[in-house]
Amino acid sequence: GQSLEQPSEVTAVEGAIVQINCTYQTSGFYGLSWYQQHDGGAPTFLSYNALDGLEETGRFSSFLSRSDSYGYLLLQELQMKDSASYFCAVRGDNYGQNFVFGPGTRLSVLP
Amino acid sequence: DAMVIQNPRYQVTQFGKPVTLSCSQTLNHNVMYWYQQKSSQAPKLLFHYYDKDFNNEADTPDNFQSRRPNTSFCFLDIRSPGLGDAAMYLCATSRTVDRGGDEQFFGPGTRLTVL
Repeated sequence: GQSLEQPSEVTAVEGAIVQINCTYQTSGFYGLSWYQQHDGGAPTFLSYNALDGLEETGRFSSFLSRSDSYGYLLLQELQMKDSASYFCAVRGDNYGQNFVFGPGTRLSVLP
Repeated sequence: DAMVIQNPRYQVTQFGKPVTLSCSQTLNHNVMYWYQQKSSQAPKLLFHYYDKDFNNEADTPDNFQSRRPNTSFCFLDIRSPGLGDAAMYLCATSRTVDRGGDEQFFGPGTRLTVL
């Protein structure tokens, strides 16, 4: 089976930097993804890490350490529109066909 | 624009009355997924199709079935909806399931109400 842990809530101010951590347990591992979901909206893909290291896409970066079963999403220059839920997700087990979302972290960005 | 479309956006059904939700995609992706998302929870994968191969999650109730008649369309059938099945149902697609194709594209979802 697979399980993931994330902080339930994070609050930060506009312009700040915030890091959302994710730890996972899985019997097989193919990669760690991050998704953003605004209230009432559908999840949208942010990033994917299959190998150790940092992936940067604009204001967002994602990091993976396979040996520590740990990853994080880093959001820089926070904007009000970044207020949303952020989910990490693992593709593991069954040759990568099982896909499990973490419980989600609700980010509130304050003016 | 290539996209994932779900119909209807809102569905109301009665306890025990079968209901079908539909999803179509113009992305020509090989994989189509169905997720259930309850309020303030993460999406939970019910099953997915890789081309015509159906993959059921171990804990998906038998009450949920799916059909994929062609590449573009996928249906979710709930045979006897219970009150606990009220949720947002999300359809998603991806090009493949291997490590190079993990980006999933989600439709807007169908919110199911069970009376």
